[in-house]
Amino acid sequence: DAKTTQPPSMDCAEGRAANLPCNHSTISGNEYVYWYRQIHSQGPQYIIHGLKNNETNEMASLIITEDRKSSTLILPHATLRDTAVYYCIVRVEGTGGFKTIFGAGTRLFVKA
Amino acid sequence: DAGVIQSPRHEVTEMGQEVTLRCKPISGHNSLFWYRQTMMRGLELLIYFNNNVPIDDSGMPEDRFSAKMPNASFSTLKIQPSEPRDSAVYFCASSRLAGGPTGELFFGEGSRLTVL
Repeated sequence: DAKTTQPPSMDCAEGRAANLPCNHSTISGNEYVYWYRQIHSQGPQYIIHGLKNNETNEMASLIITEDRKSSTLILPHATLRDTAVYYCIVRVEGTGGFKTIFGAGTRLFVKA
Repeated sequence: DAGVIQSPRHEVTEMGQEVTLRCKPISGHNSLFWYRQTMMRGLELLIYFNNNVPIDDSGMPEDRFSAKMPNASFSTLKIQPSEPRDSAVYFCASSRLAGGPTGELFFGEGSRLTVL
């Protein structure tokens, strides 16, 4: 089972920042938060990951709360091409390593 | 880099036929994953391999499904016999080091299977 909770859908105006929340209240100290997105009919695409500190790359920023029980993915200037399902993931440790389990994600609609 | 390569991209078959899906992971990646996606169940992890060895197949739905990884550059997912409920998009993904605490997945474009 996924260890995260996300809203099922969100809207955002084109050019504005999209802030996608995620709750992961049972996260352990050494578990990373990952974000992926899936544009219609394509395979999921890695966006960013973090442990404690905020992270930024060319695609997005990741803000993790101090208690690490929640995080926010920020797309600073959303475009129509950012319309996708966004998955927040805390990997599950099993025999032999970590498994990436996808939940339902947040469907982001960027509107003109 | 060519990315993860899957074939076929689309397959339509009749119930009872054998289906074989193929995946070539990114060179140098140690881990390979098979996922299935349907509208009803979302993205489900079926099985994953580390260094060509199956590690966790708890997501494989039943004995009709089998997966192999004979070498570091090739894996197959086989369904025999296929049933209409197996219709889905099957994704393959690879990663440098799934066993560690970090390791992003790189996905292929998927194989869309329709079983009539």
